[in-house]
Amino acid sequence: GDSVTQMEGPVTLSEEAFLTINCTYTATGYPSLFWYVQYPGEGLQLLLKATKADDKGSNKGFEATYRKETTSFHLEKGSVQVSDSAVYFCALKGRGSTLGRLYFGRGTQLTVWP
Amino acid sequence: EAGVTQFPSHSVIEKGQTVTLRCDPISGHDNLYWYRRVMGKEIKFLLHFVKESKQDESGMPNNRFLAERTGGTYSTLKVQPAELEDSGVYFCASSQDLPGQGARSPLHFGNGTRLTVT
Repeated sequence: GDSVTQMEGPVTLSEEAFLTINCTYTATGYPSLFWYVQYPGEGLQLLLKATKADDKGSNKGFEATYRKETTSFHLEKGSVQVSDSAVYFCALKGRGSTLGRLYFGRGTQLTVWP
Repeated sequence: EAGVTQFPSHSVIEKGQTVTLRCDPISGHDNLYWYRRVMGKEIKFLLHFVKESKQDESGMPNNRFLAERTGGTYSTLKVQPAELEDSGVYFCASSQDLPGQGARSPLHFGNGTRLTVT
C-alpha cells in the first residue's frame, strides 16, 4: 500500500546552516506529494506540494522536487532560521485515493539554534 | 476566516473512561477528516465525512471509536472505553471541494487534541 518514509530526527542545526530532510515514498501510479509543518502549539500547515514528476514545490525558502526515478521528495533550505524550528511531515495522496486522505511520515523535529 | 477548532486541547483520562473530542471545521467546508498521531509514529487517517455522511471510515482502529457529524457541521469523536494505546494527538481537518481543483483542494488542520490515557 501507499506509504511514506522520512528521516529520523531530531535534527539540530545552527542558524544559516543548510537543511535536508529526506523523504521517500511507495505508491502505485503517480501520487501527489506534500510537506506539512507543525510549529509549536499550532496545527499542521501545508508548506509546499508537487503533483507530478519533476515538479518543484517551494515556499518560505524551502524547496522539494518530485523525483519519480528515486521515489523521493526531499525537503531542502539553504539557510535555516530559528523560526524554522518545528516538526516537518512528508505526505502523499495516492492517485484515486479518497480526496483528502493523506499518508504521512513519522515527522522530523527540527531545532535551529541562534 | 476562523480556522478549524478542536476541543479540548488536552485531555487526561484513566483507562476505561470515556472521552469525547470535538472538531469545528471551517464554515462551509463539507469535508471533515480525523487523523491521529500516536507518539513518535505516523499521522494516520481515521475517517472522512462529507457533510453528515461517513465517506470513508476504513482507518478507524476498532469499535471503541465512534465519530458523528450531526447536521453536517461540527464533529465529535468518542472513545469508549479508552485504552492506554489510544494516547496520542488527534487532528481534525476540513476542506471544500472547488470546481476544477479536484484532488488539489487543500486541507486545513486544527491544532489537535492531545489525549493521554493513564
